[in-house]
Amino acid sequence: SQTIHQWPATLVQPVGSPLSLECTVEGTSNPNLYWYRQAAGRGLQLLFYSVGIGQISSEVPQNLSASRPQDRQFILSSKKLLLSDSGFYLCAWRSGIGTQYFGPGTRLLVL
Amino acid sequence: AQTVTQSQPEMSVQEAETVTLSCTYDTSESDYYLFWYKQPPSRQMILVIRQEAYKQQNATENRFSVNFQKAAKSFSLKISDSQLGDAAMYFCAYRSALAGSEKLVFGKGTKLTVNP
Repeated sequence: SQTIHQWPATLVQPVGSPLSLECTVEGTSNPNLYWYRQAAGRGLQLLFYSVGIGQISSEVPQNLSASRPQDRQFILSSKKLLLSDSGFYLCAWRSGIGTQYFGPGTRLLVL
Repeated sequence: AQTVTQSQPEMSVQEAETVTLSCTYDTSESDYYLFWYKQPPSRQMILVIRQEAYKQQNATENRFSVNFQKAAKSFSLKISDSQLGDAAMYFCAYRSALAGSEKLVFGKGTKLTVNP
């Protein structure tokens, strides 16, 4: 069966510091991968998605970037964090039948 | 652009009773997918049920069922025999079936409380 991992689970970072969040998927090949952000008390907002290695599409221009160095690895990065980057970050993968399945998420607090 | 509206910010239900969560959406497309996700306090998003727009039959998963009204653009979730573990935020979501459409559009969620 397929599983999706995210780390770290929780992160506290100072403003201006870099960021790297990692997502990996097991048990499937060539998945579509997604990064979402959820602000407190809100729904999810799609940030980036990838349909293959090295292919990144951005939905919202912002302080973040994404990369896909391997088939089942998706990384969310920032060179300099802002206070507004705080939130809950969820990675997801899509099956062939169109359903997106989510990872456990990373809580990011920027101070 | 498609939008998803959940008009009930909070709902409550007694254990073992039935509750219905509302969702409406706006789209000009005829082929799409609809989903209900559950987000417990752990905050992981868990798929509850999905519906393909081309299917007239309402989807059912154990105690969870939907009432899909395509013409009215309505997609409500019914939870039968509510359990304490059903307490969570519930999100309705839409995704176009057009090739290349990757975005899930979410509603703002309904917080469900289950009272013992």
